[in-house]
Amino acid sequence: EAGVTQFPSHSVIEKGQTVTLRCDPISGHDNLYWYRRVMGKEIKFLLHFVKESKQDESGMPNNRFLAERTGGTYSTLKVQPAELEDSGVYFCASSHGAFYGETQYFGPGTRLLVL
Amino acid sequence: GEDVEQSLFLSVREGDSSVINCTYTDSSSTYLYWYKQEPGAGLQLLTYIFSNMDMKQDQRLTVLLNKKDKHLSLRIADTQTGDSAIYFCAESTGRRALTFGSGTRLQVQP
Repeated sequence: EAGVTQFPSHSVIEKGQTVTLRCDPISGHDNLYWYRRVMGKEIKFLLHFVKESKQDESGMPNNRFLAERTGGTYSTLKVQPAELEDSGVYFCASSHGAFYGETQYFGPGTRLLVL
Repeated sequence: GEDVEQSLFLSVREGDSSVINCTYTDSSSTYLYWYKQEPGAGLQLLTYIFSNMDMKQDQRLTVLLNKKDKHLSLRIADTQTGDSAIYFCAESTGRRALTFGSGTRLQVQP
């Protein structure tokens, strides 16, 4: 069974440009999460989808970030316009059910560098 | 509030035991996790412990939980060079989202 995949693995863009990150969860997983790790600090939660609906987006830093999950399969996270402080590693995770404490499986991350 | 703290770096010799520590502040934490990140790879779930347990052992890994002090530790017995990685402590409370620490970089010297 394929794990969580993310694309691209790396992205280098200039300040003010737009970048779109993609996450493909494990097949059949309704729950999809986005996290990011900035500047070697802690990994912070961004948002949580249940199928195509945003269950919790309390971690989204500002309105330059837009996440979608049309059709409840893969998800995209768009940053527009990108700023220097957006540099970091963006992780996606998925889980099957929504019961409390269920294991989240993480992808390899997308390393974003904004110059 | 939610806050998870870890020391940044630990260096051990191959064959020794490693102990990675973590403290958390949210007393409603129910599940506590240890994830491992190898260079260039994603986060791999190593083990987890439910808050009504005080110890869990899985092969070379031992997790100890002191709920009174809100302290979690991960002991790796007979540490190998392949154990070199960043180890993240994480907690789960009433939300589905995980709260992570900053990670402890474990360096294993031959």
